[in-house]
Amino acid sequence: NAGVTQTPKFRVLKTGQSMTLLCAQDMNHEYMYWYRQDPGMGLRLIHYSVGEGTTAKGEVPDGYNVSRLKKQNFLLGLESAAPSQTSVYFCASSYSAGANVLTFGAGSRLTVL
Amino acid sequence: LAKTTQPISMDSYEGQEVNITCSHNNIATNDYITWYQQFPSQGPRFIIQGYKTKVTNEVASLFIPADRKSSTLSLPRVSLSDTAVYYCLVGDMNRDDKIIFGKGTRLHILP
Repeated sequence: NAGVTQTPKFRVLKTGQSMTLLCAQDMNHEYMYWYRQDPGMGLRLIHYSVGEGTTAKGEVPDGYNVSRLKKQNFLLGLESAAPSQTSVYFCASSYSAGANVLTFGAGSRLTVL
Repeated sequence: LAKTTQPISMDSYEGQEVNITCSHNNIATNDYITWYQQFPSQGPRFIIQGYKTKVTNEVASLFIPADRKSSTLSLPRVSLSDTAVYYCLVGDMNRDDKIIFGKGTRLHILP
């Protein structure tokens, strides 16, 4: 099993460009999450989904959009990238809510020039 | 979600036992305590979870006092490879959709 796979692993964008990060999980998990992590900081929740077709805002949702059209995929979009969105992005999934164990992807490093 | 407080950083030496304490004064009845470990350039990974008293696995032990207002992650005989950030989370298995991480404890193991 691959677990949680994130693509791409690295990307450089220019300010104003758009892009989509893809998260795919093969564990039949209901819940999926997108986090960002800046140097020396913990993880901050961007958006999350409690099931196919649902999305909700996390701590820092501004500037990002998400979609969960298929249960196994959770897409994170940047419509107009800004340098402040330079970060490492982590996707995670879990079977259900709350204290259920999260499985994380390896991360996607995004640089916005 | 119960808020957690843990030390920002800790140093220890190889071979020592390391204890990282997390405070969660407003923990709710149905909340579980979960610890994650994050190595540089990797996503966090689950290490241990508990509800009360003591839980032990091949990686760590988790001690939870009767009032559950704090918990202690214990790493026996640490090695350099235990250098990582450790996160303490508290949440309800059936209720809390948002999973919020704090800044964690940066553990640095010295030779």
